Amino acid sequence: GQQVMQIPQYQHVQEGEDFTTYCNSSTTLSNIQWYKQRPGGHPVFLIQLVKSGEVKKQKRLTFQFGEAKKNSSLHITATQTTDVGTYFCAPRDDKIIFGKGTRLHILP
Amino acid sequence: EADIYQTPRYLVIGTGKKITLECSQTMGHDKMYWYQQDPGMELHLIHYSYGVNSTEKGDLSSESTVSRIRTEHFPLTLESARPSHTSQYLCASSGFGNTEAFFGQGTRLTVV
Repeated sequence: GQQVMQIPQYQHVQEGEDFTTYCNSSTTLSNIQWYKQRPGGHPVFLIQLVKSGEVKKQKRLTFQFGEAKKNSSLHITATQTTDVGTYFCAPRDDKIIFGKGTRLHILP
Repeated sequence: EADIYQTPRYLVIGTGKKITLECSQTMGHDKMYWYQQDPGMELHLIHYSYGVNSTEKGDLSSESTVSRIRTEHFPLTLESARPSHTSQYLCASSGFGNTEAFFGQGTRLTVV
């Protein structure tokens, strides 16, 4: 399976601030999926991106797939305490190999 | 709501014991996966299956074994548990094509 690097590994933000995590690959990806795992929980699927330059929005979350399909990002506008958790990206292949994740902590 | 179930949720067991972690899904998914995850850490793929009688090792070497005799069932077995096996084990499944994966609640295993 294809491997990706996620940055940053950790992010602390004040509630209300924006947050962005990046997912980078050295090879072209056919698609990318994003998952969220709450503390003590299991990963939950958020979205899949397939097309070059694709942008999708889910309320305060904006997902992008790069033009070269080698990177992706997740941006959260005006974070809330419910956004706490780890965000994983994964190139969707027969095997699902996740990036190491970005752990988001919200400071009240 | 995903229909994938793992039992037990928590297990504390002594060194040397044989254990089987159960995973069942009622969605008719062909693909199933096992991941190992230490608290706050990354997800490591240890086994996956494309369908009945198909099993493959994942990217992280594991002493566990799996079987896939029925579509809905993908148990993971440790013949002789050791403290190094202490971790959370997550099972997942996905349907035809590169669709989203659904995860079970996980089994938190502690070997003492």
